[in-house]
Amino acid sequence: GAGVSQSPSNKVTEKGKDVELRCDPISGHTALYWYRQSLGQGLEFLIYFQGNSAPDKSGLPSDRFSAERTGGSVSTLTIQRTQQEDSAVYLCASSLSGHPETQYFGPGTRLLVL
Amino acid sequence: GENVEQHPSTLSVQEGDSAVIKCTYSDSASNYFPWYKQELGKRPQLIIDIRSNVGEKKDQRIAVTLNKTAKHFSLHITETQPEDSAVYFCASPNNAGNMLTFGGGTRLMVKP
Repeated sequence: GAGVSQSPSNKVTEKGKDVELRCDPISGHTALYWYRQSLGQGLEFLIYFQGNSAPDKSGLPSDRFSAERTGGSVSTLTIQRTQQEDSAVYLCASSLSGHPETQYFGPGTRLLVL
Repeated sequence: GENVEQHPSTLSVQEGDSAVIKCTYSDSASNYFPWYKQELGKRPQLIIDIRSNVGEKKDQRIAVTLNKTAKHFSLHITETQPEDSAVYFCASPNNAGNMLTFGGGTRLMVKP
């Protein structure tokens, strides 16, 4: 079946502009995670959605970052007033409820803020 | 919350040698420990995990060991091959068991 997909695959934007990154999880996966990976670095947790529950936003680095998940499926990560330090690969992952050990990652969106 | 430390950050081995990556965790209630492999420019993928009711698990050239008393677990790769070159991440569940805390990653380079 189809895996996790993300779009766009690459995004170049100017400092101060807003960007939207999209994630389509695997069908039936109620858990969805967003991570940020700076060049050569580890996986920085951003936000977690589980079904219709309130999301865990504890990893969002600033109030410029927000995310939503409509209908329990597609998720959008929005970064407002982008800064150069926001440049990174943004990875989305999904899993079955109660099985975070088996997360399926998307290919990521490579964001470059000039 | 859970804290996961991973060592070493980089590891270079000769093809055919063994590689060992170690992680420690802080939450004694953690009961499963997955390992992810991320090849250059690609997405992380789960390669193996171990549950707290066993001390070792093997899958061909890969093995994981777990010491719950000491709160550490390790990934062992034997007979390394160039295609094993990647970044490896260990992980442990958070207190609620609904998310993973990842280690900082180990960049493994296998020299032919």
